[in-house]
Amino acid sequence: QKEVEQNSGPLSVPEGAIASLNCTYSDRVSQSFFWYRQYSGKSPELIMSIYSNGDKEDGRFTAQLNKASQYVSLLIRDSQPSDSATYLCALLPNTGNQFYFGTGTSLTVIP
Amino acid sequence: NAGVTQTPKFQVLKTGQSMTLQCAQDMNHNSMYWYRQDPGMGLRLIYYSASEGTTDKGEVPNGYNVSRLNKREFSLRLESAAPSQTSVYFCASSGRQGWVGELFFGEGSRLTVL
Repeated sequence: QKEVEQNSGPLSVPEGAIASLNCTYSDRVSQSFFWYRQYSGKSPELIMSIYSNGDKEDGRFTAQLNKASQYVSLLIRDSQPSDSATYLCALLPNTGNQFYFGTGTSLTVIP
Repeated sequence: NAGVTQTPKFQVLKTGQSMTLQCAQDMNHNSMYWYRQDPGMGLRLIYYSASEGTTDKGEVPNGYNVSRLNKREFSLRLESAAPSQTSVYFCASSGRQGWVGELFFGEGSRLTVL
């Protein structure tokens, strides 16, 4: 069983601040990691994927992967009210087809 | 470019009734998935199909059956619906290339069992 743990929140940050979302996992097998954003009543949409140790930046989003400590994080710079959503962490083992999801962290950006 | 299409979007059933959720993808993906999402529970995998002709149980398969009709279509059937199956159901597909893969989701189907 590959466990993916997320703090369910809710997490509140003021507009313009950095939001930090964290995810830990229990299996050391090589795998890929994904961050999905889900607005209320909508389906999840992919924001970032990361496969290697270190940071990966895409606009205001930065994903960080630390395989030694078994965590992956998502930083959202200059947070906007439109970033208010639930963020889901997921992992995909390199040798499998099953994605494993955390329960999600609810983020609210306060104007 | 439709992506992943699932129907119906809303359904109300009485306990014991049966129904089938349909899903189709136009991205030529090999893998397809059915998830359910309940408040506080995150996404839980019901069944998945790694390729045409294969299906495997996920975390919560009881009460469900699936059919991978062809590469495009993957249906989920509730033979005798129970109130515990009230949930939002998402179909997803993935076109894994080597060890790189991403999930693309349909818009979801909200099912209520009375």
